[in-house]
Amino acid sequence: GAVVSQHPSWVICKSGTSVKIECRSLDFQATTMFWYRQFPKQSLMLMATSNEGSKATYEQGVEKDKFLINHASLTLSTLTVTSAHPEDSSFYICSATATSMSRSSTDTQYFGPGTRLTVL
Amino acid sequence: QKEVEQDPGPLSVPEGAIVSLNCTYSNSAFQYFMWYRQYSRKGPELLMYTYSSGNKEDGRFTAQVDKSSKYISLFIRDSQPSDSATYLCAMKSSGDKLTFGTGTRLAVRP
Repeated sequence: GAVVSQHPSWVICKSGTSVKIECRSLDFQATTMFWYRQFPKQSLMLMATSNEGSKATYEQGVEKDKFLINHASLTLSTLTVTSAHPEDSSFYICSATATSMSRSSTDTQYFGPGTRLTVL
Repeated sequence: QKEVEQDPGPLSVPEGAIVSLNCTYSNSAFQYFMWYRQYSRKGPELLMYTYSSGNKEDGRFTAQVDKSSKYISLFIRDSQPSDSATYLCAMKSSGDKLTFGTGTRLAVRP
């Protein structure tokens, strides 16, 4: 159980275009989803926290108008990189915590396989 | 000072060796501790989850937490080439936000 998928797994785009990445929880409902980016040989950096039906909370230094997050349902969150530039090239990973009747601080995050974005 | 410190390695060991991976942290509010394994170009996979001081064992993996020293460890017994990956420690307080270490790259030589 607790499988998270991402689509696409990799994408190459031209500078100035927008790219949408989907994150889905396949066998559970996710109240909260997280978006991370990871540069080569570095750790995961949290970009934003997304709650179903509400606006995402962005980490300091992350441009909310550039990285648009939509969490329309309990199983789907999307990240759109708008007007992408080469410096946005990175590995983008989402994670999700499972919904429970009484939210517990012990809820763990399950990660998707990641999306590699290359902006030319 | 980073909230979570982890030696990036790389760490190279022969097959069958016992591997010790460690993280230290400075935030005493951290209560929940996790170890993730990440293969190259893949998302992290949860290996161990603990929330109390002491040891937790799962197969060849043992997670150890020492809250008084703000120190956590992951031990891998009888290491295999398939264990070659980056191991990330992660921790959190009462909220959802995880704080990750930089990850330790492990290579197990056949």
